[in-house]
Amino acid sequence: EAQVTQNPRYLITVTGKKLTVTCSQNMNHEYMSWYRQDPGLGLRQIYYSMNVEVTDKGDVPEGYKVSRKEKRNFPLILESPSPNQTSLYFCASSTRGAQLFFGSGTQLSVL
Amino acid sequence: AQSVTQLDSHVSVSEGTPVLLRCNYSSSYSPSLFWYVQHPNKGLQLLLKYTSAATLVKGINGFEAEFKKSETSFHLTKPSAHMSDAAEYFCVVSSLANAGGTSYGKLTFGQGTILTVHP
Repeated sequence: EAQVTQNPRYLITVTGKKLTVTCSQNMNHEYMSWYRQDPGLGLRQIYYSMNVEVTDKGDVPEGYKVSRKEKRNFPLILESPSPNQTSLYFCASSTRGAQLFFGSGTQLSVL
Repeated sequence: AQSVTQLDSHVSVSEGTPVLLRCNYSSSYSPSLFWYVQHPNKGLQLLLKYTSAATLVKGINGFEAEFKKSETSFHLTKPSAHMSDAAEYFCVVSSLANAGGTSYGKLTFGQGTILTVHP
């Protein structure tokens, strides 16, 4: 089954403790991206990747890192999480301008 | 630079009446535009997309949208609302200029419009 898999689904952590949210797709998509969703603000793009080893900043990249060492994986790294990064996070992938396939989301709470 | 403004944060209609969700955009390049829908506690689903072909775009579930370059608008419509249409809708603009039009680049979402459908 074609899918984008995010883990974990829920995460509670404390300020400053490094964490990684994984994203994997099984559709051989070139394009992958990360978003955060906050009430009243819609989704805001954090980072995107056009292909392996090619990444670029979206609208809200501060406090986040990504890497694209393999085509299928695009992890989101928070080196030192802060409470203002509490949010619902989505990963998505696509190929050649076709529709985005979204993961199920990761609800992150930073205390 | 690019931006998207959804002009209504909430829209309320009665079942069987028309739906209009308004979206204005700005883009330095010829944009691609999309509408996505998110039902409660679900992921996002593509309704329709405009990528410089026909200006009137038909999507799933009876929705359609018209690209109007002169008005920089991409409003979403449906002739007759159904209870199952109740959800949050997002207008999205994509810059493809840096990718030769073959893939997404930077994606900007609108703030979302919550559609409520009354019986």
